[in-house]
Amino acid sequence: EVQLVQSGAEVKKPGESLKISCETSGYTFTNYWIGWVRQMPGKGLEWMGIIYPGDSDTRYGPSFQGQVTISADKSISTAYLQWSSLKASDTAMYYCARRTGSASWFDPWGQGTLVTVSS
Amino acid sequence: QSVLTQPPSVSGAPGQRVTISCTGSSSNIGAGYDVHWYQQLPGTAPKLLIYGNSNRPSGVPDRFSGSKSDTSASLAITGLQAEDEADYYCQSYDTSLSESGVFGGGTKLTVL
Repeated sequence: EVQLVQSGAEVKKPGESLKISCETSGYTFTNYWIGWVRQMPGKGLEWMGIIYPGDSDTRYGPSFQGQVTISADKSISTAYLQWSSLKASDTAMYYCARRTGSASWFDPWGQGTLVTVSS
Repeated sequence: QSVLTQPPSVSGAPGQRVTISCTGSSSNIGAGYDVHWYQQLPGTAPKLLIYGNSNRPSGVPDRFSGSKSDTSASLAITGLQAEDEADYYCQSYDTSLSESGVFGGGTKLTVL
């Protein structure tokens, strides 16, 4: 069974750094893209970016380029989303999900990681 | 403002049929990109509902169907059930955004 398990909820202060994780199992990690999706409180889904762990090819949505960093560690089949300096506006639920192919769908999804940024 | 436009809300009585539209443009749906649909039940992660415009993953009831035409797509739900009350999102890709993925703004389905 393909599973994506995300790290736990985080409470941070503005200006702090953060790295959240998405641990995968049940398939060959290097053969599928992994994507990250943001959902701000009470709002819709936003496509942040994707990474192909096989060669670390990474693509960012225009709104997220330069704002976050997506990475992956093949040795432990885990993808990451990180911020160098959090803002209050980064408060959101973040989901990781596996993408099947080019211009393709996300399935399955992780359970989500809630990030709260508050002074 | 999302690149893909969905109605904010739709509603229907149990047993009825509802449709949710997803309107794009010549740089996304009209460019030939497939449309995928997700269901997000309250307090849970999104779940794939329809992929490749009209295909249902294993386990998704055939009450759910999808279609695509020109620059838009639709999700139809027949025989509405209380458990269908959720948010629904369409997703595609867009050439004007460096082929980035895009989601619709989401539609809240209320079962009356």
